[in-house]
Amino acid sequence: QSALTQPASVSGSPGQSITISCIGTSRDNLVSWYQQHPGEAPKLIIYEVVKRPSGVSHRFSGSKSGNTASLTISGLQAEDEADYYCCSNVGGPVILYVFGTGTTVTVL
Amino acid sequence: QVQLQESGPGLVKPSGTLSLTCAVSGASFSSGTWWTWIRQPPGKGLEWIGEIYLSGSNYNPSLKSRLTISMDKSNNQFSLSLTSVTAADTAVYYCAKNGVPWYFEYWGQGILVTVSS
Repeated sequence: QSALTQPASVSGSPGQSITISCIGTSRDNLVSWYQQHPGEAPKLIIYEVVKRPSGVSHRFSGSKSGNTASLTISGLQAEDEADYYCCSNVGGPVILYVFGTGTTVTVL
Repeated sequence: QVQLQESGPGLVKPSGTLSLTCAVSGASFSSGTWWTWIRQPPGKGLEWIGEIYLSGSNYNPSLKSRLTISMDKSNNQFSLSLTSVTAADTAVYYCAKNGVPWYFEYWGQGILVTVSS
């Protein structure tokens, strides 16, 4: 199973909004997003396409259309500079999770 | 507060077996809880390795022939065993607790395992 397709990099100025796409997700609402700062473990920021875990900033939001999921970061802040990965459960007869290729967000 | 901690050798010889353990605190190995291994080669993306729960396990098909994930409920830990390793298995290995459904809610800090002679 191939990795989900994400843009390699996205950048924006402080205060702006950016959107990261994730192409190839399953038809159901089983998409999650993870933020990873250098040298740290990934952190869950979105699950079931649109839900935010407790403690995650409301500036992070998710959506999905067809086989493409998206993560939007509003009011971009310096601390948002990190790598972001989407993940989808492929489903079918074999349980398989597939991660996206990863997107590096740079705050200009 | 759920915490996970990976442990094991940081260096494994080619063709050897990579064995890691994940110690869990703040959560129980109860029915319905899934536990996962994920890895990340240096400078690359994340790869799902496999998961285990009380009644069974699911493995990444690309690793299935070399992989065993087991659970030790009495010691609140689960383990990974990957045989016939090569340099391609060099990665940071993370253990995680699954949320319901189908996401990784809590992560360990990760452990770097290098395959080299």
